[in-house]
Amino acid sequence: KAGVTQTPRYLIKTRGQQVTLSCSPISGHRSVSWYQQTPGQGLQFLFEYFSETQRNKGNFPGRFSGRQFSNSRSEMNVSTLELGDSALYLCASSLGGLNEKLFFGSGTQLSVL
Amino acid sequence: SQQGEEDPQALSIQEGENATMNCSYKTSINNLQWYRQNSGRGLVHLILIRSNEREKHSGRLRVTLDTSKKSSSLLITASRAADTASYFCATDRDSNYQLIWGAGTKLIIKP
Repeated sequence: KAGVTQTPRYLIKTRGQQVTLSCSPISGHRSVSWYQQTPGQGLQFLFEYFSETQRNKGNFPGRFSGRQFSNSRSEMNVSTLELGDSALYLCASSLGGLNEKLFFGSGTQLSVL
Repeated sequence: SQQGEEDPQALSIQEGENATMNCSYKTSINNLQWYRQNSGRGLVHLILIRSNEREKHSGRLRVTLDTSKKSSSLLITASRAADTASYFCATDRDSNYQLIWGAGTKLIIKP
């Protein structure tokens, strides 16, 4: 069974641009969640999708958005990039939600210049 | 904001010794999970312990949960070089459906 796949692996953008990150969950997993990891703030929950519906959102500005498609693949979008958005963005999938074992992708390292 | 606090922030021990990491949290939880992360890559699930459980084992790992003290510990016995990684705890709560992460413990195993 293939693991969670995140693309791209690395991304360099400039301030003001927007970016879209992609996550393909393990086959059969309906929950996809996203996290931001920085040296200063650690791991922070962004949002979780289940069957194309956003179930919860962390404390991030509206510039951070996401969606999930009918095949459970998910995308995360950040608009009007700021220097502070530089981070490792991780997605994870599970069968039913956040209260069970999560399988993580390798992440997308985003650098904003 | 983070619910979990982990200590120590960093731990360096000799190969073969036991390593203990602690996680504290602020509100009541449903479950607590431990994950390992190698060199800024994706996280790997280690153990999930439910709020009505007190102890769980998996190979060389032992996790305890004390809900009265709102804390959990992860013990790695007979450490190996491959255990060098950062270890995170994560909690989920009924009242707010999110996953809250601790700051992590960086574990270094010296050969």
